[in-house]
Amino acid sequence: RKEVEQDPGPFNVPEGATVAFNCTYSNSASQSFFWYRQDCRKEPKLLMSVYSSGNEDGRFTAQLNRASQYISLLIRDSKLSDSATYLCVVIPDSNYQLIWGAGTKLIIKP
Amino acid sequence: GAGVSQTPSNKVTEKGKYVELRCDPISGHTALYWYRQSLGQGPEFLIYFQGTGAADDSGLPNDRFFAVRPEGSVSTLKIQRTERGDSAVYLCASSLWAGTDTQYFGPGTRLTVL
Repeated sequence: RKEVEQDPGPFNVPEGATVAFNCTYSNSASQSFFWYRQDCRKEPKLLMSVYSSGNEDGRFTAQLNRASQYISLLIRDSKLSDSATYLCVVIPDSNYQLIWGAGTKLIIKP
Repeated sequence: GAGVSQTPSNKVTEKGKYVELRCDPISGHTALYWYRQSLGQGPEFLIYFQGTGAADDSGLPNDRFFAVRPEGSVSTLKIQRTERGDSAVYLCASSLWAGTDTQYFGPGTRLTVL
């Protein structure tokens, strides 16, 4: 079993819709969680950290479910510019090493 | 300010050749990381520097891979006797400190081994 797993997609979603995807992790001692966004042939960029209480940044909401060991990302009122691959990242324990999912590809259609 | 820069942006080489990939981190960032990303996969950790020393090189796939950061700033990833399987995008990231501090990525070097 991979340490961090994501549905690769692609998720094809009409503009304006709400879309959500999850990421599961295997290490129950994991401490930190993030969502990164990666555009085609570009480097990953931090989208948001994921806090235990859940957090929201504009149209984006991230949540952590420790009991079931998954994090989620919800995008409301999706825009064409949201089309990208969304990578889930977990930092096990308190070390520095990022463990990455393979990403979920999102395509927003007009 | 300037972000992480990497050179070259693309490198095409022949099997068996030696290549060097350079990373220039954000000024003042003490931690530097190298990752490798294959198509359709997330980045895979290779090595991490805190200052000049390699704090963890457990992700280097074999002894053909080596990285240095002699002055605690610029880092070079060196690959000897390249193989076709080494083809990937090599990403460098830096952070102010190691640990959970946000890592900022460079644009990557796309290495193609023919």
